Amino acid sequence: EDKVVQSPLSLVVHEGDTVTLNCSYEVTNFRSLLWYKQEKKAPTFLFMLTSSGIEKKSGRLSSILDKKELFSILNITATQTGDSAIYLCAVDNYGQNFVFGPGTRLSVLP
Amino acid sequence: DGGITQSPKYLFRKEGQNVTLSCEQNLNHDAMYWYRQDPGQGLRLIYYSQIVNDFQKGDIAEGYSVSREKKESFPLTVTSAQKNPTAFYLCASSTQGEPQHFGDGTRLSIL
Repeated sequence: EDKVVQSPLSLVVHEGDTVTLNCSYEVTNFRSLLWYKQEKKAPTFLFMLTSSGIEKKSGRLSSILDKKELFSILNITATQTGDSAIYLCAVDNYGQNFVFGPGTRLSVLP
Repeated sequence: DGGITQSPKYLFRKEGQNVTLSCEQNLNHDAMYWYRQDPGQGLRLIYYSQIVNDFQKGDIAEGYSVSREKKESFPLTVTSAQKNPTAFYLCASSTQGEPQHFGDGTRLSIL
């Protein structure tokens, strides 16, 4: 059975801290791994990763994929209260569907 | 503007009633999806459709039904058989190899 596991499920930090969110997966036909940020409504797309070892960056956020060990991490440096959200990891299993993890709820305190 | 439109934003269901959630996209995407999200949880797949007139059950299809008569539209009916329908429902669409685009969701509650 295809599955995506995220850890931790919940995390509370203070502004300025650096956080690392983890995502591991087991799927039959891997095409890509995606990270989304969800605040109140629709998840917004952050990164799509298809190749191992190539870091993707956007401002204070970065992500990398390890296809041998079947995991990805999402790093957020110098966190701000606006980073508080649920971070979702999903795997595209080659056009069958997207398998989502349970999400990590990040709370950033002032 | 291209995107996905879900309606209504809020919906209330009485006992024994079927309700239908609308999802329309103008992105020309072949694939469409329905997810359920409970408070503080991730997304669980209800149904998905890769092509018009075809759809597959996801992990939690019981108590739900869908149709895909047009490429742009993928309505979800929450039937009276779904005993715990209170949740946030998200519709998404995608094209091959690209990230999903999501609508703003519908919050369904029981009266």
